[in-house]
Amino acid sequence: QVQLQESGPGLVKPSETLSVTCTVSGGSISSYYWNWIRQSPGKGLEWIGYIYYSGSTNYNPSLKSRITILVDTSKNQFSLKLSSVTAADTAVYYCARLTPHKVGNVNYHTVDVWGQGTTVTVSS
Amino acid sequence: DIVMTQSPLSLPVTPGEPASISCRSSQSLLHSNGYNYLDWYLQKPGQSPQLLIYMGSNRASGVPDRFSGSGSGTDFTLEINTVEAEDVGVYYCMQTLQSPRTFGGGTKVEIK
Repeated sequence: QVQLQESGPGLVKPSETLSVTCTVSGGSISSYYWNWIRQSPGKGLEWIGYIYYSGSTNYNPSLKSRITILVDTSKNQFSLKLSSVTAADTAVYYCARLTPHKVGNVNYHTVDVWGQGTTVTVSS
Repeated sequence: DIVMTQSPLSLPVTPGEPASISCRSSQSLLHSNGYNYLDWYLQKPGQSPQLLIYMGSNRASGVPDRFSGSGSGTDFTLEINTVEAEDVGVYYCMQTLQSPRTFGGGTKVEIK
């Protein structure tokens, strides 16, 4: 069974870049879409973006100017970089997988595998 | 962005009784293929969210059949026909029709 594990710095200073990595175990990173989602007390759950194993991405427009999501298939990992952070970026960051579900003739992709989350605090 | 609104914010429940959560979207989630692009999640205390229902009414693998999803367009409902103590947590709806995917604010279910 596939498992996801986030690793991150815990504490980031304002204006710096937040970097979080997700390691995929128990399965291949190939042929799936890999997501970043965050949860903060102020904004609830927020979808950040995803990357396909081939490298194509889809970002939330509200964060697009500050985020980069990359994939390293050789390490079975993908990562998130968020630049110019402020206190508003303090959150639990989750990595997650989009899994296709066949319904009729439709392949419907939804988030059904989540990591345990890593807490990132932005503070000087 | 599509705005998702859940009600109620808090729902005290009695084990053995039914419970119902509402989710409304600012735009129709009915795709041209005839399916509604809405999912339901439960986040138990101290855990990551877990998928309950996808495409409005399809139970995810391993989800007990006491959970059911219904609705179409802009109005959706998650029902628990007989609440158990393990069902406590925060329930979220999420639309998947348009990017960015957006979540409702959550409904906290707790035992009376």
